[in-house]
Amino acid sequence: AQKVTQAQTEISVVEKEDVTLDCVYETRDTTYYLFWYKQPPSGELVFLIRRNSFDEQNEISGRYSWNFQKSTSSFNFTITASQVVDSAVYFCALHGNTGKLIFGQGTTLQVKP
Amino acid sequence: SAVISQKPSRDICQRGTSLTIQCQVDSQVTMMFWYRQQPGQSLTLIATANQGSEATYESGFVIDKFPISRPNLTFSTLTVSNMSPEDSSIYLCSVEEAYEQYFGPGTRLTVT
Repeated sequence: AQKVTQAQTEISVVEKEDVTLDCVYETRDTTYYLFWYKQPPSGELVFLIRRNSFDEQNEISGRYSWNFQKSTSSFNFTITASQVVDSAVYFCALHGNTGKLIFGQGTTLQVKP
Repeated sequence: SAVISQKPSRDICQRGTSLTIQCQVDSQVTMMFWYRQQPGQSLTLIATANQGSEATYESGFVIDKFPISRPNLTFSTLTVSNMSPEDSSIYLCSVEEAYEQYFGPGTRLTVT
C-alpha cells in the first residue's frame, strides 16, 4: 500500500525563523515521484516541487530547500527565514505505479510577524 | 504548465439539490482528476476521467452521487447530486502533464 505521513499537524514560528516540514512515505514501487504543494487560505493548490525516486540530490529554490532521503523514505521541506506570506497548509504527495496522487494529511504553517 | 479554470468558484446550495462543476484546461490532456477536500482535511481522489470512456471511481464514491462527463480533451464536469451538508467541501479538478499534476482553483461548496 502507498501512504504519506505528515506527522506535524500544525507548526507556528516567528518570522525569520527557519522551519522544516517533515514527510515520510511508504511504497513498494521502485519508480515514483514525490511532490510538495502549498495551499494558501484562498484554497488553490500551488505546485512547489517534484522529485523522482532516482534523484536524491537536494534542491534549493530561493528560501525553499528539499531533502530527499530514500534510506529513511523521507522528503522534508525547509523554509529558511520564514515570512508571513509562507503561512499556508503544505501537502506532501506520492505518485507511484497506480497513477494516483496520494496526499499526506497536510501541515498548517503559521508564521507570526 | 497547464492552466485550469473552474466554475463556479463557490456556491451555497440547499440540501437535496444538485450542482454541476465545470473544469476547463487550456491544453489537451488525456487524464483529468476530481478531488474532494472536506473542511480541515486532505485531498481525496473522487474519480479519474479519461476522454471517451467511463470515469473510474475510487472506493467510497459512486457514479449516481458524482456523475462525471468528459466530452473532449479540454473539458470535464462533476455533478454533486442530492446534496447534504456532508458534501460541503472544496472540489478540485486536476490534470497530469509529464508526471506533474496541476490543480484548478477549486469550487468551494456549502450545503445548507
